[in-house]
Amino acid sequence: DTAVSQTPKYLVTQMGNDKSIKCEQNLGHDTMYWYKQDSKKFLKIMFSYNNKELIINETVPNRFSPKSPDKAHLNLHINSLELGDSAVYFCASSQEGAGPGVNEQFFGPGTRLTVL
Amino acid sequence: QQQVKQSPQSLIVQKGGIPIINCAYENTAFDYFPWYQQFPGKGPALLIAIRPDVSEKKEGRFTISFNKSAKQFSLHIMDSQPGDSATYFCAASSTGGFKTIFGAGTRLFVKA
Repeated sequence: DTAVSQTPKYLVTQMGNDKSIKCEQNLGHDTMYWYKQDSKKFLKIMFSYNNKELIINETVPNRFSPKSPDKAHLNLHINSLELGDSAVYFCASSQEGAGPGVNEQFFGPGTRLTVL
Repeated sequence: QQQVKQSPQSLIVQKGGIPIINCAYENTAFDYFPWYQQFPGKGPALLIAIRPDVSEKKEGRFTISFNKSAKQFSLHIMDSQPGDSATYFCAASSTGGFKTIFGAGTRLFVKA
């Protein structure tokens, strides 16, 4: 029944490691996003994908590489993790377009990444 | 031009009070203005949203007031309850923009 799911929920790792976060949505939406929420709760968009195509890349370092194998999945791979990458990462999805009900973003439960 | 400015940063009210959270934007291309509610350990969830063709929208105890000329909108929570204690985010986006800009968030605490 979960609309947007993410795994894992918690990720603790050492600096320099590579890690991945997976996201899946079962809402039939055509657009998916990755957000980073820092310790001050600020929510910043990282990437948006529409129909598996990258639309927005908000000047995110190259160490972050999203991949969308199909419209229902958007994964995030992070290379050479740094201390500053510690945050909560949220996946979200929406149906873009005009009309009622579109644009509402459905968020996953988040992945808390801690880099030691 | 892409920013959404939100205030206050935090707010404490008594049960039954009416907290008001304000947001301002610059980009006149924005045509969708949602408010999201986030509880600790959870993802944000849509609370209420408005489009610029109306000046007010009410859903239960939550009301958005929208002033297009001033490029401002606000959230009012009537008869606030301790269960409303959460972080509230205003946001703005434009149709086909594939990007939602969030305000910095307001941490609301409702005292019992």
